[in-house]
This record gives sequence, C-alpha cells and structure tokens, in this order.
Amino acid sequence: QKEVEQNSGPLSVPEGAIASLNCTYSDRGSQSFFWYRQYSGKSPELIMFIYSNGDKEDGRFTAQLNKASQYVSLLIRDSQPSDSATYLCAVRPSSASKIIFGSGTRLSIRP
Amino acid sequence: DTAVSQTPKYLVTQMGNDKSIKCEQNLGHDTMYWYKQDSKKFLKIMFSYNNKELIINETVPNRFSPKSPDKAHLNLHINSLELGDSAVYFCASSPQTGGHQPQHFGDGTRLSIL
Repeated sequence: QKEVEQNSGPLSVPEGAIASLNCTYSDRGSQSFFWYRQYSGKSPELIMFIYSNGDKEDGRFTAQLNKASQYVSLLIRDSQPSDSATYLCAVRPSSASKIIFGSGTRLSIRP
Repeated sequence: DTAVSQTPKYLVTQMGNDKSIKCEQNLGHDTMYWYKQDSKKFLKIMFSYNNKELIINETVPNRFSPKSPDKAHLNLHINSLELGDSAVYFCASSPQTGGHQPQHFGDGTRLSIL
C-alpha cells in the first residue's frame, strides 16, 4: 500500500461546477496535510493545509480531513479553466521529519 | 524577490559528467530540501538539512552529495551522471522541521542526460 494515494485522473469537470479531489494515507498517526497545485512545467504551489478533523475553507477552496477514515479531500467551487492543473496531496506522517507526496490528480476544467 | 531560487533552470549534459545545482532561500527558514520529480510527476524527497545539519537522507545513490554551507543555501552535486538521473530537481524550504510547516518550492532544475 502506498503511503499517500491519489487517483491520477484526469478528472474532467465543467466550468462553474465543484471539483472534488481525494487522497488517502496509510500512517494513522499523520499530523499535517497539504494540498499543492502544480501547473505543467512549474513548481508545486501550496493551496491549503489542514491538521484538524473537519473542514477548512479559503475562498473557493475547502479542505476536508477525516482522520478516522484516513482521507483528506479538496473541493474547488465555481471551477475555472485556470484551475486546470495537477493537484498534489502531501502528508506529514508520525515520523514528522518529512512530507510524503501522492502522485497527483490531473484536473481539467472544460469551458 | 524570489523566495527559493535555483540555478541553473535547465541543465543538459552527457552521461558520465559531474554537475552541481545551487539553491538559495531568503525566507529565513531553518530547513531545506531536495526533491526529484520523475517523468510520471512523482515527487520524492532526497535530502533535508536543518540549520546545516543533514536530517533526511533517503535511499539515494551516493553519486548524489548535498552540501549546506549555511542555512540559506543547499547545493546538490551529482557525480557520474546516468540516463536515469534525467528529471526535474526541486529545492524547497520550510520554517522548521516537523509540525504544521508547509514547504515552499523553487522553480526547479530540469536535468537532461544525453
């Protein structure tokens, strides 16, 4: 089992709809959870981080964490073509000294 | 005002050569990292330094040698380059190790081995 798993996609969502990206992790003691956005040929850019169970909202983005089920998700409301990118889920496990990245989900917003 | 800067941006070289990539951060962070992103976009940590001290050394061939002259700089030297070393190498930094500290990435160095 991979430490951080994401569906590679591509996930195609119509403009204006809600895009839902999911991530599961294997280390139950994981502490912190991050979502990065990476445009093609660019570096990863932090979108959100969350460390408590529940929802965290920032503009059109909502991160959801469920530690009991070991999953974290990212919702993007009112999706825009500029949201088309690869979204990387990253988890800091209980060992704490490093962050482990999933392989990313490619999101495509169709006009 | 680049926060994490890497040089060079592109590196094209022959198999067997030795090359270095430099990284500098002006964020005042204590911890710096090197990641490798392969053609499948999988981002894997290679090394991490906290205040010039090596704290993470993943299963990386010893042809790769990081050096941190001070906490604002982390360089990566690669000896005897191989075809499989072709990838994008990202430098990153975070305020500290552990906790809820996100990492901030440089623009990457695209290494191509001929």
